[in-house]
Amino acid sequence: EAGVTQFPSHSVIEKGQTVTLRCDPISGHDNLYWYRRVMGKEIKFLLHFVKESKQDESGMPNNRFLAERTGGTYSTLKVQPAELEDSGVYFCASSRRINTGGKGSPLHFGNGTRLTVT
Amino acid sequence: AQSVTQLGSHVSVSEGALVLLRCNYSSSVPPYLFWYVQYPNQGLQLLLKYTTGATLVKGINGFEAEFKKSETSFHLTKPSAHMSDAAEYFCAVSEDTGGFKTIFGAGTRLFVKA
Repeated sequence: EAGVTQFPSHSVIEKGQTVTLRCDPISGHDNLYWYRRVMGKEIKFLLHFVKESKQDESGMPNNRFLAERTGGTYSTLKVQPAELEDSGVYFCASSRRINTGGKGSPLHFGNGTRLTVT
Repeated sequence: AQSVTQLGSHVSVSEGALVLLRCNYSSSVPPYLFWYVQYPNQGLQLLLKYTTGATLVKGINGFEAEFKKSETSFHLTKPSAHMSDAAEYFCAVSEDTGGFKTIFGAGTRLFVKA
């Protein structure tokens, strides 16, 4: 099966610009997560979709971040306007549906998007 | 609330030596515990997981971890390090609280010396 794909792999933008990151989860995975890792620090949870619905967005830093998952397939994460502190690696992960034995299902990660805001 | 603490941001071992990466967690309910590995320029890959049952869990590449509830620990071990084990390792915990938010530790970078 195809894995989780993210693009772009790298993005360099100036402060104040807008960037949109895309994630294509594994086909059939209802759960989709966004995480961010700032250099040298922990991988921080941003939000969790179950299909097209936001299950938990408690990790979203502020209202400059907007995540969508229209149709319950791919997801986008938009940062507008970008600030210097938004730099980091953004990971997307997906996992199987929980109520079909997916409890404790591991996350399948994409390779991440490295965002640099200058 | 759940949390994960990994002791040591960097660990260095000689090839053939024991690998021990430490992880302690905090969880209000029985946790699901994971170890992931990240090689350069790649995403995280699952090494092993504990959900229920046997507390000693075996994973890929010869790694194993033991869930110790009394110590709230889930340390990762491998009897003999190989050069290819050099990578960054993340301990993670998730809880069945309706959703399955997974929380990660800060990571431990493993160096293997020839």
